[in-house]
Amino acid sequence: NAGVTQTPKFQVLKTGQSMTLQCAQDMNHEYMSWYRQDPGMGLRLIHYSVGAGITDQGEVPNGYNVSRSTTEDFPLRLLSAAPSQTSVYFCASSTENYYGYTFGSGTRLTVV
Amino acid sequence: KNEVEQSPQNLTAQEGEFITINCSYSVGISALHWLQQHPGGGIVSLFMLSSGKKKHGRLIATINIQEKHSSLHITASHPRDSAVYICAVDLTYSGGGADGLTFGKGTHLIIQP
Repeated sequence: NAGVTQTPKFQVLKTGQSMTLQCAQDMNHEYMSWYRQDPGMGLRLIHYSVGAGITDQGEVPNGYNVSRSTTEDFPLRLLSAAPSQTSVYFCASSTENYYGYTFGSGTRLTVV
Repeated sequence: KNEVEQSPQNLTAQEGEFITINCSYSVGISALHWLQQHPGGGIVSLFMLSSGKKKHGRLIATINIQEKHSSLHITASHPRDSAVYICAVDLTYSGGGADGLTFGKGTHLIIQP
């Protein structure tokens, strides 16, 4: 039982490059969400999904796209990376039978 | 907009001391979470509360819905308890964690031997 798996763990991008952060869960959770963690700011919600085909914006969605074609996967796309997107990104999932959140181990992204 | 405030921001204590971390929020919620993050590490869910009190080992979490306040207590603290403790709230009223979490900025706890 892997829980929530995020890849890659580390990534360095040049300004303007695009990339996709992967998030997969094997718990059949309906709800998935993406957060970024910055020093002094805490964790902030980027996008979330309540099920396959349904996504919505969180507190800081600009510069990021998401899609949810399957229950298991919720990738986060950076369209044109900027230094302001240097952060640690966490994916999390939860379920309608609500026992809390399961977090992935994070992706540390540096944009130079 | 819901604000989640944690105090203290930083806390250094000696091994064995009783630790209290506080969390206040400004609007109604359906659940409150306490999370733990070790340096460079992932995030672990400690408690989810909608009312009352929960206990797990040396950790105790309480919530007062009327006062919009929660506390996390650590009894007989140990250096391995050193971590960032994060309070987060769930604003979903239909149940479940559908809409994501709103977080406090965390409390950096150091327990010295």
